[in-house]
Amino acid sequence: NAGVTQTPKFQVLKTGQSMTLQCAQDMNHNSMYWYRQDPGMGLRLIYYSASEGTTDKGEVPNGYNVSRLNKREFSLRLESAAPSQTSVYFCASSELGPWNTEAFFGQGTRLTVV
Amino acid sequence: GQQVMQIPQYQHVQEGEDFTTYCNSSTTLSNIQWYKQRPGGHPVFLIQLVKSGEVKKQKRLTFQFGEAKKNSSLHITATQTTDVGTYFCAGAVYNQGGKLIFGQGTELSVKP
Repeated sequence: NAGVTQTPKFQVLKTGQSMTLQCAQDMNHNSMYWYRQDPGMGLRLIYYSASEGTTDKGEVPNGYNVSRLNKREFSLRLESAAPSQTSVYFCASSELGPWNTEAFFGQGTRLTVV
Repeated sequence: GQQVMQIPQYQHVQEGEDFTTYCNSSTTLSNIQWYKQRPGGHPVFLIQLVKSGEVKKQKRLTFQFGEAKKNSSLHITATQTTDVGTYFCAGAVYNQGGKLIFGQGTELSVKP
């Protein structure tokens, strides 16, 4: 069982470069999420997708774009990376019913912008 | 917007002491979840509470959901070194399509 797979695991970017973080889940979940984790800030929601074909902004969407390519895949794009986007990024998925089921997280992507 | 506040940010205890972390939401929640993240790892689901006033136990861990569904707590009895990590609460609000907001987390360290 792969669960939630994120790539890459580590990345160093120069300011102004762009990149896409990939996320795929094999649990047939409807909902997918992107979070960033910074020291003392917990997990902050960047974007989420309640179902295939829909995406919504979370708490900190500025500087990011997302694509829900299909039910399995949810990618996060940084168009012009800034040092403030240095963080650990987690993708997660869950089922959505009357209330959320447990969220499964990927291993994380450690991104450094220099 | 919806906010979930969690205190304390850090807690250092001697092994065998109890530990409690508290979670408060600015809005009424449909449900609340708790996660544990070990150093260098990713968050792992512990439990979900749905009903007003609900109390659930997992061995030495006791989880509560407030009557107004705006606050929650996690209590660990007689901590062990294996309890080390950061504990997060995460809340979802009705009619927000699955939006799951996390608290800032409480980092627990346990001294043997």
